[in-house]
Parts: sequence; C-alpha cells; structure tokens
Amino acid sequence: KNEVEQSPQNLTAQEGEFITINCSYSVGISALHWLQQHPGGGIVSLFMLSSGKKKHGRLIATINIQEKHSSLHITASHPRDSAVYICAVGAGTASKLTFGTGTRLQVTL
Amino acid sequence: DTEVTQTPKHLVMGMTNKKSLKCEQHMGHRAMYWYKQKAKKPPELMFVYSYEKLSINESVPSRFSPECPNSSLLNLHLHALQPEDSALYLCASSQSTPGTLANTNVLTFGAGSRLTVL
Repeated sequence: KNEVEQSPQNLTAQEGEFITINCSYSVGISALHWLQQHPGGGIVSLFMLSSGKKKHGRLIATINIQEKHSSLHITASHPRDSAVYICAVGAGTASKLTFGTGTRLQVTL
Repeated sequence: DTEVTQTPKHLVMGMTNKKSLKCEQHMGHRAMYWYKQKAKKPPELMFVYSYEKLSINESVPSRFSPECPNSSLLNLHLHALQPEDSALYLCASSQSTPGTLANTNVLTFGAGSRLTVL
C-alpha cells in the first residue's frame, strides 16, 4: 500500500464545475504539498500546508492532520486547469518528499 | 527571478555518448535536487545538494554523475546510459536545506529535460 493515496486517479469535468481531489496519507507528516503538472511539462507548486486551509484564486486546499487527509478544490473549473495534480508529503528529512501517483484532470468545454 | 531553468529541453543520445543536463536558479536557494520521472509515474528523488555539497544519493547508478559548481548551478553528467534511463529529468530548488522543517521547504521545479536514450 502506498503511503500517499490519491483519488480519483482520473477525473473529467465540464467547464464551470466544482472539482475535488483527495489525498490520504498513512505517515506522520510536517507538511503536505499540492503540485500541478501539465502534459510533458515541469511541476508547479500550488500549496504547502501544515494545518487548516489555504486559498489562491480559484484553488482551495485543506488539510485535516488528525484524519491524515487533504483535499484540493477547484472552483469554476476551466480547460486550462487540465493537468495532473500531485499530492506529496514531507516527513523527517525535509528533502525527501513522498509523492502520490497523481490525479489526471481533464476539463472540457 | 523566481525560476529554475533547465537545459536542454530535449536530448537524444546513444548508449556510448557523454552528455550533461544543466540547471540554474538565482533565487538564493541553498538546496538543489535532481528527480527522474517516467511516464505517468510520480517523480523519484535522485540527488540532493545542500550548500553545494552532495547530501543525498538515492542509490543512483554511477552512470549518472551530479555536480554543483556553485550555489546557482547544478549539472547531471550522463555516460553509458541505457534505454530504460529515458525519462523526464526534473531539477528543483528550495530555500531550506535538508534536515530543516519540511514546512519551510517549498520546492520550485524546472520545466524538465526530456531524455531519450537510443
């Protein structure tokens, strides 16, 4: 079993829909990262969380440390949001992130 | 400047070639990383440099040789690679160094170098 599990693995939505991507982890962590990767491209760091909730534009990330769970929400989704969203957790040595397998999001017109 | 720049974007090489991947950042970050990513898989950590010294080598084969000439540059020298080494190689940097609290350690990634070994 992976230490970091994401769901769903694949998600198709229509433009304007509210999207939720979930991340569950089984180890104690000091921080959780949400990352975005467009096809064939590099990775962009969206959020780093250690508690509570963060918002940036149409993106909202929440974390529940007790339940070992985080969610990434996208409001008013747009085709340019189509990408792979990766959850990664940091525990112990700061450099060693454990990555989830990613959620592939496709937003259609 | 808030970017990590990687060159080349694409590289095709034979198994007997010697080539290098380059990574540059001017954010004053003191930790730099090499990751390898195969298609539809998450990135795998290869190396970490902290204050220009190699601090983590994730049991990477010696045909991959990292080098950090100064605090802004990170190279990955490639020699006698195998076709299975074909992948996207991602460089990243962070302000904090390994061993500090992860919640201060936001990674900035480059766009990657896509390597094909024939």
